[in-house]
Amino acid sequence: EIVLTQSPGTLSLSPGERATLSCRASQSVSSSYLAWYQQKPGQAPRLLIYGASSRATGIPDRFSGSGSGTDFTLTISRLEPEDFAVYYCQQYGSSPQLTFGGGTKVEIK
Amino acid sequence: QVQLVQSGAEVKKPGSSVKVSCKASGGTFSSYAISWVRQAPGQGLEWMGGIIPIFGTANYAQKFQGRVTITADESTSTAYMELSSLRSEDTAVYYCARGRSITMIEDAFDIWGQGTMVTVSS
Repeated sequence: EIVLTQSPGTLSLSPGERATLSCRASQSVSSSYLAWYQQKPGQAPRLLIYGASSRATGIPDRFSGSGSGTDFTLTISRLEPEDFAVYYCQQYGSSPQLTFGGGTKVEIK
Repeated sequence: QVQLVQSGAEVKKPGSSVKVSCKASGGTFSSYAISWVRQAPGQGLEWMGGIIPIFGTANYAQKFQGRVTITADESTSTAYMELSSLRSEDTAVYYCARGRSITMIEDAFDIWGQGTMVTVSS
């Protein structure tokens, strides 16, 4: 099973600042099958990025994903008030063991 | 636009089973995988398994093998997740989620149900 480690656990930033979230895999993620989700309290997760760098439908371009192999990054170029939430990475290249990272909380400083 | 609507909250005794449903409306059901993901209170996301309705066979996470059964009824566009031998650690919100691509269980999930709270308590 591929273990995903997200860092930092919590990121304290102000609106307008840049957020950089990391997701590291215990072994290479095949074909960059890496996704990112945003989750707000009491809501289901929302897909932001798939294939490591492709934005899902309707996702603003301030969200971008990069990386390959074992190191992946989600960047939010300028934080909007609605971006404060928990973010999860997920790998889906290892059949049939699909796994999620432990999450990064982006909170208002 | 496809929507996934799940059944309501459940309270169960330890050792019993729970069956949660997930009904799709507004689009194609059979060719897209439906997975189940759970989230214990204050914790992260955990994939349990998934099924492609048109094929009918399910893949399960190793942790849940033998305790979870995922099925789908094409005639009603509904997927089901049954978890047996419940224990307190199974208390969680259970989500169904649809894969982005046809005929792939291991996929990113672009559509999610609203979640079903399952509480296991004596």
